[in-house]
Order: sequence, then structure tokens, then C-alpha cells
Amino acid sequence: SQKIEQNSEALNIQEGKTATLTCNYTNYSPAYLQWYRQDPGRGPVFLLLIRENEKEKRKERLKVTFDTTLKQSLFHITASQPADSATYLCALTRGGATNKLIFGTGTLLAVQP
Amino acid sequence: GAGVSQSPSNKVTEKGKDVELRCDPISGHTALYWYRQRLGQGLEFLIYFQGNSAPDKSGLPSDRFSAERTGESVSTLTIQRTQQEDSAVYLCASSLERGGSYEQYFGPGTRLTVT
Repeated sequence: SQKIEQNSEALNIQEGKTATLTCNYTNYSPAYLQWYRQDPGRGPVFLLLIRENEKEKRKERLKVTFDTTLKQSLFHITASQPADSATYLCALTRGGATNKLIFGTGTLLAVQP
Repeated sequence: GAGVSQSPSNKVTEKGKDVELRCDPISGHTALYWYRQRLGQGLEFLIYFQGNSAPDKSGLPSDRFSAERTGESVSTLTIQRTQQEDSAVYLCASSLERGGSYEQYFGPGTRLTVT
């Protein structure tokens, strides 16, 4: 069956360091992959989308890589800040007739001042 | 502009009662999605509406769940004869899905508690 795995344990890092979050998937051929941020009690907020034919995407302090051979995406936050503390969700979609997202369970990031 | 809104924000109901949850998508967004998030878990896809196409209902967990959407506007998710395992946050999202724009914009969710 399709499976999306993210670091199940919380990631604790010091302010100013680079946070790297991992998303691995099996039995799936996504057309594109998205990363969302979710704060407690709120809906997810879109961050970045990367397509299957793209290797890397950047937006300000954020960078996403996508390796369809390894079936893995890495999400980096450089110069991390305490305000970056949240749960980060990886989501895949096949595209085509339906763009429904299949979500991972998320990784909780805590940036210590 | 206004984002996705959902109502009610919280709903407590007794087991066996029916509930109706509402979603107002962003104006102009052709696609609308419902997801469910149980405590400490990831989001589960429930149903997807895209324009006038037949909805993708493949994620609905049982025939107690149904959803409707009028054109490209409001959607309602109905759960009949609620069970305790239906307790979760129900999230609605909308998406433009034109010109390569596939990101989804989520509402704040409705927290449903079945007692």
C-alpha cells in the first residue's frame, strides 16, 4: 500500500542553524509534492510545491529537493528562527483527474532561542 | 481577500445524531477538498469537488458520510448517525487548479466531538 513517512520524532535545533526534514514514500509515483506548515489548532498553510521533473525549489529561507529515484524529498529551513517552530507536513499527489493530497503524519520542529 | 472559512468552529454532538459542517471556499477556486485529522495523526482525504465534474468520493469512510457542493461555492459535509470514532477536526481546502496552480488553501477546521 502507499506509504509516506516523515521523521516521527520531534526535531530540536538551535536558532540560526539549518533544519532538515525528510519525507520518504513507497508504492507511489507522484506528479508533484508539496510541503505545508501547521500550527496547533489551525489548518495547514502551503509553503512549496515541486514537480516530478524538478530537482530543487527555493523560496526565501526554504529549499525543497525531490529525488524520484530515492523516493525522497528533503525540506530545509536555513537561519532558523523560533517562529519557525511548527509541524511540517509532506503531501503527494498524482495529478490528472484528481489532485487529492496524501499526507504524511508530519514532523514537529522546535527551534530553541 | 478572504480565505477559506468553516462553520461551526466547534461542534459537540451525541452519538447517533446527524451533523452538518459548512465550508466557504476562496472565491474563484474551482476545486474544493474535505479532509479529516484525528488527534495526533495526519490528514485523511475524504472527498474532492472540481467544477461540474463528478466528485471523487473515494476517501469517504462509510455511507454515513456525504457531501454536496453548489457550483463553485459553498460545500456541506454531512455525517449521519455519528459515532465516537468520527471525533476529529474536519478541514476544508480550496484550490485554483488553473495555470499550474495546485496549492491548497485550508480553512481553520471544525472540531467535532461525539459524546
